[in-house]
Amino acid sequence: GAVVSQHPSWVICKSGTSVKIECRSLDFQATTMFWYRQFPKQSLMLMATSNEGSKATYEQGVEKDKFLINHASLTLSTLTVTSAHPEDSSFYICSARDSGLQETQYFGPGTRLLVL
Amino acid sequence: LAKTTQPISMDSYEGQEVNITCSHNNIATNDYITWYQQFPSQGPRFIIQGYKTKVTNEVASLFIPADRKSSTLSLPRVSLSDTAVYYCLVGVANTDKLIFGTGTRLQVFP
Repeated sequence: GAVVSQHPSWVICKSGTSVKIECRSLDFQATTMFWYRQFPKQSLMLMATSNEGSKATYEQGVEKDKFLINHASLTLSTLTVTSAHPEDSSFYICSARDSGLQETQYFGPGTRLLVL
Repeated sequence: LAKTTQPISMDSYEGQEVNITCSHNNIATNDYITWYQQFPSQGPRFIIQGYKTKVTNEVASLFIPADRKSSTLSLPRVSLSDTAVYYCLVGVANTDKLIFGTGTRLQVFP
């Protein structure tokens, strides 16, 4: 299947700093990518839809100024957690839809964020 | 949005066949049904996808009845490495959003 990568795989930062997470589709182009957050023992929660060349669409309750999303190319979307706080510590996962395979989304390996 | 309902957990033993059923009563005409597997601290892994009837690949089978209000993931002869959380998702037509439910935590015992 299609491969999606994320970088970094884990990050530790101080409270108040910003952290950027990259999501790449390695062997296919993705006009749309998605960002999820997952807390321990819980399911994935959709945060936003990242659209190449346009603004991201955020789910209800997700602060767009807090979680900045940029989808500058057909293979790269970035999520920046601005002014991170300990409550932002979570597992962040991206997915990308392979345009060649109808409705199939492939997920990245996830990024573990720990804010001290 | 179609909501899915799955058993919270299931137990099985190595070598057995496991069937996980998912209910999606409000599925729309254009929605696909997709199953993912997730191990701890990893992203979900695509298992199988279908629209109707039966789909089979090298790891699983997916059975979808005519009314499409439910689906069953069948894992033949599970092993310890199949211990994971399995999610049933229904694709939201024209928006591509996947809304995750609680998933089914499968525990395989030796």
